[in-house]
Amino acid sequence: EAEVAQSPRYKITEKSQAVAFWCDPISGHATLYWYRQILGQGPELLVQFQDESVVDDSQLPKDRFSAERLKGVDSTLKIQPAELGDSAMYLCASSARLSGDTQYFGPGTRLTVL
Amino acid sequence: AQKITQTQPGMFVQEKEAVTLDCTYDTSDPSYGLFWYKQPSSGEMIFLIYQGSYDQQNATEGRYSLNFQKARKSANLVISASQLGDSAMYFCAMREASGGGADGLTFGKGTHLIIQP
Repeated sequence: EAEVAQSPRYKITEKSQAVAFWCDPISGHATLYWYRQILGQGPELLVQFQDESVVDDSQLPKDRFSAERLKGVDSTLKIQPAELGDSAMYLCASSARLSGDTQYFGPGTRLTVL
Repeated sequence: AQKITQTQPGMFVQEKEAVTLDCTYDTSDPSYGLFWYKQPSSGEMIFLIYQGSYDQQNATEGRYSLNFQKARKSANLVISASQLGDSAMYFCAMREASGGGADGLTFGKGTHLIIQP
């Protein structure tokens, strides 16, 4: 069964360091999403891509976060510099087409900032 | 105002009993979708069931059914014959039709379901 892949699964870093997360969506899925889930809460959307284009990044803290999907397949989310409040689970999801299909999630990257 | 409200932070249920997880939503969009996801302690969000706002029938997927009451803006998840493996966090989420194709999900805070033997 096709799955969304994410790496690393766990990341521990010190504040002010740079971190990067990688996501490979289900093959053929044109839409990719990054969510952040703080402990005890539901996920919140950070950014949505359609192919290589950003559809929605209104909730992405652009002073320190960046996301790219250069070839419209896999994607990287970067934080520089990391802050204590960035400790969270970062979830990637993909769907087959824009506006209307189920989002399937990867296993997530659990980030701890010390 | 919260768009998705889950009023049960935690629930304990005996194995083999049916359980209902509550979800109410708030939207002015006539076209929307409602989802339920399960999140075990491993962290992955597992899709369970979907209900579209124009669907006439309540959605069902195996032991999962969605009790959709559009006028009351509720979309409760019903799990029949609960099993120990059902213990997890459960999230209700909504997708609204937005301009430009943005369709990220809005999630509730979740319900922690524990099935007891």
